[in-house]
Amino acid sequence: NAGVTQTPKFQVLKTGQSMTLQCAQDMNHNSMYWYRQDPGMGLRLIYYSASEGTTDKGEVPNGYNVSRLNKREFSLRLESAAPSQTSVYFCASSGEPGPYEQYFGPGTRLTVT
Amino acid sequence: AQSVTQLDSQVPVFEEAPVELRCNYSSSVSVYLFWYVQYPNQGLQLLLKYLSGSTLVKGINGFEAEFNKSQTSFHLRKPSVHISDTAEYFCAVTTWDSSYKLIFGSGTRLLVRP
Repeated sequence: NAGVTQTPKFQVLKTGQSMTLQCAQDMNHNSMYWYRQDPGMGLRLIYYSASEGTTDKGEVPNGYNVSRLNKREFSLRLESAAPSQTSVYFCASSGEPGPYEQYFGPGTRLTVT
Repeated sequence: AQSVTQLDSQVPVFEEAPVELRCNYSSSVSVYLFWYVQYPNQGLQLLLKYLSGSTLVKGINGFEAEFNKSQTSFHLRKPSVHISDTAEYFCAVTTWDSSYKLIFGSGTRLLVRP
Protein backbone atom coordinates (compact mmCIF):
# COMPACT_ATOMS: atom_id res chain seq x y z
CA ASN A 1 0.00 0.00 0.00
CA ALA A 2 2.01 2.97 -1.30
CA GLY A 3 -0.62 5.64 -0.50
CA VAL A 4 -0.15 8.68 -2.76
CA THR A 5 2.77 8.63 -5.18
CA GLN A 6 4.08 11.48 -7.32
CA THR A 7 6.52 11.61 -10.21
CA PRO A 8 8.96 13.12 -10.78
CA LYS A 9 10.50 14.11 -7.44
CA PHE A 10 12.53 16.94 -8.97
CA GLN A 11 12.34 18.80 -12.28
CA VAL A 12 14.08 21.79 -13.82
CA LEU A 13 12.38 23.49 -16.77
CA LYS A 14 13.23 26.42 -18.95
CA THR A 15 10.66 29.19 -19.38
CA GLY A 16 8.11 28.16 -21.99
CA GLN A 17 8.64 24.42 -21.69
CA SER A 18 5.75 22.13 -20.80
CA MET A 19 5.53 19.17 -18.49
CA THR A 20 3.05 16.94 -16.69
CA LEU A 21 3.21 16.01 -13.02
CA GLN A 22 1.79 12.60 -12.30
CA CYS A 23 -0.10 11.52 -9.20
CA ALA A 24 -1.61 8.17 -8.29
CA GLN A 25 -3.32 6.80 -5.18
CA ASP A 26 -4.08 3.23 -4.23
CA MET A 27 -6.59 3.90 -1.44
CA ASN A 28 -9.69 3.82 -3.67
CA HIS A 29 -10.33 7.47 -2.84
CA ASN A 30 -12.86 9.50 -4.78
CA SER A 31 -11.38 12.97 -4.28
CA MET A 32 -7.97 14.19 -5.40
CA TYR A 33 -6.22 17.56 -5.12
CA TRP A 34 -3.23 19.49 -6.42
CA TYR A 35 -1.55 22.10 -4.21
CA ARG A 36 1.48 24.30 -4.52
CA GLN A 37 3.63 25.25 -1.53
CA ASP A 38 5.61 28.48 -1.51
CA PRO A 39 7.69 29.85 1.38
CA GLY A 40 5.59 31.80 3.86
CA MET A 41 2.34 31.09 2.01
CA GLY A 42 1.33 27.64 3.17
CA LEU A 43 -0.38 25.40 0.64
CA ARG A 44 -2.70 26.78 -2.00
CA LEU A 45 -5.18 24.67 -3.95
CA ILE A 46 -4.64 24.66 -7.70
CA TYR A 47 -7.31 22.20 -8.88
CA TYR A 48 -9.32 19.41 -7.37
CA SER A 49 -11.43 16.50 -8.50
CA ALA A 50 -14.32 15.56 -6.24
CA SER A 51 -14.89 12.32 -8.14
CA GLU A 52 -13.82 10.54 -11.30
CA GLY A 53 -14.83 12.59 -14.33
CA THR A 54 -15.06 15.94 -12.56
CA THR A 55 -12.51 18.70 -12.01
CA ASP A 56 -12.81 22.18 -10.53
CA LYS A 57 -10.59 25.19 -10.09
CA GLY A 58 -9.06 26.02 -6.77
CA GLU A 59 -7.49 29.21 -5.52
CA VAL A 60 -4.62 29.51 -8.06
CA PRO A 61 -5.53 27.69 -11.32
CA ASN A 62 -4.01 30.07 -13.87
CA GLY A 63 -1.29 28.47 -15.98
CA TYR A 64 -2.31 24.91 -15.11
CA ASN A 65 -4.56 22.19 -16.48
CA VAL A 66 -5.55 18.87 -14.94
CA SER A 67 -6.83 15.50 -16.04
CA ARG A 68 -8.55 12.92 -13.88
CA LEU A 69 -7.46 9.98 -15.96
CA ASN A 70 -9.32 7.40 -13.86
CA LYS A 71 -10.14 6.92 -10.20
CA ARG A 72 -6.48 6.36 -9.30
CA GLU A 73 -4.69 9.03 -11.31
CA PHE A 74 -4.80 12.82 -11.39
CA SER A 75 -2.25 14.71 -13.47
CA LEU A 76 -1.25 18.37 -13.48
CA ARG A 77 0.04 19.98 -16.67
CA LEU A 78 2.02 23.16 -17.15
CA GLU A 79 1.60 24.15 -20.80
CA SER A 80 4.15 26.99 -20.84
CA ALA A 81 6.16 27.14 -17.65
CA ALA A 82 6.98 30.50 -16.05
CA PRO A 83 9.46 31.33 -13.26
CA SER A 84 6.45 32.16 -11.02
CA GLN A 85 5.55 28.47 -11.15
CA THR A 86 8.74 27.52 -9.33
CA SER A 87 7.34 25.75 -6.29
CA VAL A 88 6.83 22.44 -4.54
CA TYR A 89 3.75 20.66 -5.79
CA PHE A 90 1.75 18.24 -3.66
CA CYS A 91 -0.97 15.85 -4.66
CA ALA A 92 -3.47 14.67 -2.07
CA SER A 93 -6.49 12.42 -1.90
CA SER A 94 -9.44 11.83 0.41
CA GLY A 95 -12.19 9.26 0.55
CA GLU A 96 -15.06 11.63 -0.18
CA PRO A 97 -15.59 15.35 -0.57
CA GLY A 98 -16.13 16.56 2.95
CA PRO A 99 -14.31 17.41 6.19
CA TYR A 100 -12.14 14.33 5.95
CA GLU A 101 -8.42 13.72 6.23
CA GLN A 102 -6.42 14.33 3.11
CA TYR A 103 -3.45 12.05 2.41
CA PHE A 104 -0.49 13.76 0.80
CA GLY A 105 2.18 12.57 -1.58
CA PRO A 106 5.89 13.34 -1.08
CA GLY A 107 5.88 16.31 -3.45
CA THR A 108 7.56 17.42 -6.66
CA ARG A 109 10.12 20.22 -6.48
CA LEU A 110 9.91 22.22 -9.71
CA THR A 111 12.32 24.96 -10.73
CA VAL A 112 11.63 27.12 -13.79
CA THR A 113 14.61 29.13 -15.03
CA ALA B 1 -14.68 33.34 2.52
CA GLN B 2 -12.60 31.60 5.13
CA SER B 3 -9.08 32.44 6.20
CA VAL B 4 -6.48 31.11 8.62
CA THR B 5 -3.79 33.07 10.41
CA GLN B 6 -0.71 31.58 11.99
CA LEU B 7 1.02 34.58 13.52
CA ASP B 8 4.26 32.83 14.46
CA SER B 9 6.42 31.89 11.50
CA GLN B 10 8.98 30.21 13.74
CA VAL B 11 8.89 28.99 17.35
CA PRO B 12 12.17 27.95 18.97
CA VAL B 13 11.89 25.87 22.14
CA PHE B 14 14.15 23.70 24.26
CA GLU B 15 13.64 19.96 24.43
CA GLU B 16 11.16 18.84 27.14
CA ALA B 17 9.62 22.33 27.34
CA PRO B 18 5.92 22.93 26.60
CA VAL B 19 4.90 24.58 23.37
CA GLU B 20 1.84 26.30 21.94
CA LEU B 21 1.41 27.04 18.25
CA ARG B 22 -1.26 29.60 17.58
CA CYS B 23 -3.98 29.46 14.93
CA ASN B 24 -6.87 31.85 14.39
CA TYR B 25 -9.51 31.52 11.73
CA SER B 26 -12.18 33.64 10.13
CA SER B 27 -15.48 32.29 8.83
CA SER B 28 -19.16 33.26 8.71
CA VAL B 29 -20.31 29.62 8.94
CA SER B 30 -19.46 26.63 11.08
CA VAL B 31 -15.94 25.35 10.58
CA TYR B 32 -13.98 22.14 10.62
CA LEU B 33 -10.37 22.56 11.73
CA PHE B 34 -7.20 20.58 11.17
CA TRP B 35 -3.53 20.57 12.14
CA TYR B 36 -1.08 18.97 9.73
CA VAL B 37 2.66 18.38 10.25
CA GLN B 38 5.33 18.39 7.58
CA TYR B 39 8.70 16.84 8.38
CA PRO B 40 11.66 17.95 6.24
CA ASN B 41 11.39 16.90 2.60
CA GLN B 42 8.12 15.07 3.16
CA GLY B 43 4.44 15.54 2.47
CA LEU B 44 1.92 16.59 5.10
CA GLN B 45 0.30 14.22 7.56
CA LEU B 46 -2.69 14.79 9.82
CA LEU B 47 -1.98 15.51 13.50
CA LEU B 48 -5.57 16.04 14.65
CA LYS B 49 -8.92 17.47 13.62
CA TYR B 50 -11.99 19.09 15.11
CA LEU B 51 -15.30 18.26 13.48
CA SER B 52 -17.78 18.61 16.34
CA GLY B 53 -18.33 17.65 19.97
CA SER B 54 -15.64 18.05 22.60
CA THR B 55 -13.61 21.19 22.06
CA LEU B 56 -10.42 19.51 23.30
CA VAL B 57 -9.03 17.28 20.60
CA LYS B 58 -6.17 14.85 21.07
CA GLY B 59 -3.94 13.80 18.21
CA ILE B 60 -0.89 11.75 17.44
CA ASN B 61 2.53 12.17 19.07
CA GLY B 62 1.10 13.71 22.26
CA PHE B 63 -0.31 16.84 20.61
CA GLU B 64 -3.68 18.33 21.48
CA ALA B 65 -5.66 21.37 20.39
CA GLU B 66 -8.58 23.31 21.77
CA PHE B 67 -11.35 24.79 19.66
CA ASN B 68 -12.46 28.16 21.03
CA LYS B 69 -15.40 29.48 19.05
CA SER B 70 -15.63 32.83 20.85
CA GLN B 71 -11.98 33.58 20.16
CA THR B 72 -12.02 31.88 16.74
CA SER B 73 -8.89 29.97 17.69
CA PHE B 74 -7.57 26.44 17.44
CA HIS B 75 -4.19 26.48 19.18
CA LEU B 76 -1.96 23.41 19.17
CA ARG B 77 -0.18 22.36 22.37
CA LYS B 78 2.27 19.77 23.60
CA PRO B 79 3.36 19.59 27.25
CA SER B 80 6.89 18.33 26.53
CA VAL B 81 8.51 18.44 23.09
CA HIS B 82 11.20 16.20 21.63
CA ILE B 83 13.90 16.89 19.08
CA SER B 84 11.89 14.76 16.65
CA ASP B 85 9.00 17.27 16.81
CA THR B 86 11.09 19.70 14.75
CA ALA B 87 8.91 20.27 11.69
CA GLU B 88 6.54 22.72 10.06
CA TYR B 89 2.98 22.77 11.36
CA PHE B 90 0.00 23.93 9.33
CA CYS B 91 -3.44 24.87 10.57
CA ALA B 92 -6.28 24.46 8.06
CA VAL B 93 -10.01 25.20 7.92
CA THR B 94 -12.83 23.97 5.76
CA THR B 95 -16.59 24.62 5.57
CA TRP B 96 -19.58 23.16 3.78
CA ASP B 97 -20.07 26.29 1.68
CA SER B 98 -16.55 26.10 0.27
CA SER B 99 -17.19 22.57 -1.03
CA TYR B 100 -14.94 21.43 1.81
CA LYS B 101 -11.82 22.80 0.17
CA LEU B 102 -9.03 23.17 2.73
CA ILE B 103 -7.64 26.64 3.38
CA PHE B 104 -4.19 26.48 4.95
CA GLY B 105 -2.37 28.93 7.16
CA SER B 106 1.14 30.01 6.27
CA GLY B 107 2.73 27.53 8.65
CA THR B 108 4.80 27.64 11.85
CA ARG B 109 8.25 26.14 11.95
CA LEU B 110 8.86 24.47 15.32
CA LEU B 111 12.55 24.27 16.11
CA VAL B 112 13.36 22.08 19.12
CA ARG B 113 16.81 22.62 20.57
CA PRO B 114 18.68 20.22 22.90
